[in-house]
Amino acid sequence: NAGVMQNPRHLVRRRGQEARLRCSPMKGHSHVYWYRQLPEEGLKFMVYLQKENIIDESGMPKERFSAEFPKEGPSILRIQQVVRGDSAAYFCASSPPPGQTNSPLHFGNGTRLTVT
Amino acid sequence: GDSVTQMEGPVTLSEEAFLTINCTYTATGYPSLFWYVQYPGEGLQLLLKATKADDKGSNKGFEATYRKETTSFHLEKGSVQVSDSAVYFCALTGNTNAGKSTFGDGTTLTVKP
Repeated sequence: NAGVMQNPRHLVRRRGQEARLRCSPMKGHSHVYWYRQLPEEGLKFMVYLQKENIIDESGMPKERFSAEFPKEGPSILRIQQVVRGDSAAYFCASSPPPGQTNSPLHFGNGTRLTVT
Repeated sequence: GDSVTQMEGPVTLSEEAFLTINCTYTATGYPSLFWYVQYPGEGLQLLLKATKADDKGSNKGFEATYRKETTSFHLEKGSVQVSDSAVYFCALTGNTNAGKSTFGDGTTLTVKP
């Protein structure tokens, strides 16, 4: 059952370190979305990517955060110089092309980032 | 822009009680509407969806009807079980943002035996 795979499930980083979160979409899906879930809050959109293209990054913080989805390999969400406020669950979701509005998102189990 | 407003939680019910979780939305055009469920430690799973006005989505005893006149998509279940305890998210995908979904803040449901 090749669902959306995220790793690691849990990631602990000290302040100032880099965090790299990986996401492999479902087979056949070419669209990837990253969402952040802060404790006791809902899901906030961060970025939407297709292979080798960022389609919408309106939810990404302007500094320290970047995302990519290369031609080969998983999508990567990178957070540089992490701070305590970055502690959250980061969810990746994928959908089939071409991003049809009636296609639900398929979510991974998330990466829980803790910054100490 | 698009937005989704959900009934605030947490909601605590006894087993076999009736459940309603309210959801209203703001969007241009004709969005698709979804309910997702999140169990502890897991990602979101699609519960049901509706893609046009007056459609009713249903799954596992849960139902929601797409009401364009009231811009609502309330989730209902006639008799909840302990295993329904989870966080429920209402979401929409507008037809102007190519698949990006907007989520409500989630409603935590706890069902007691």
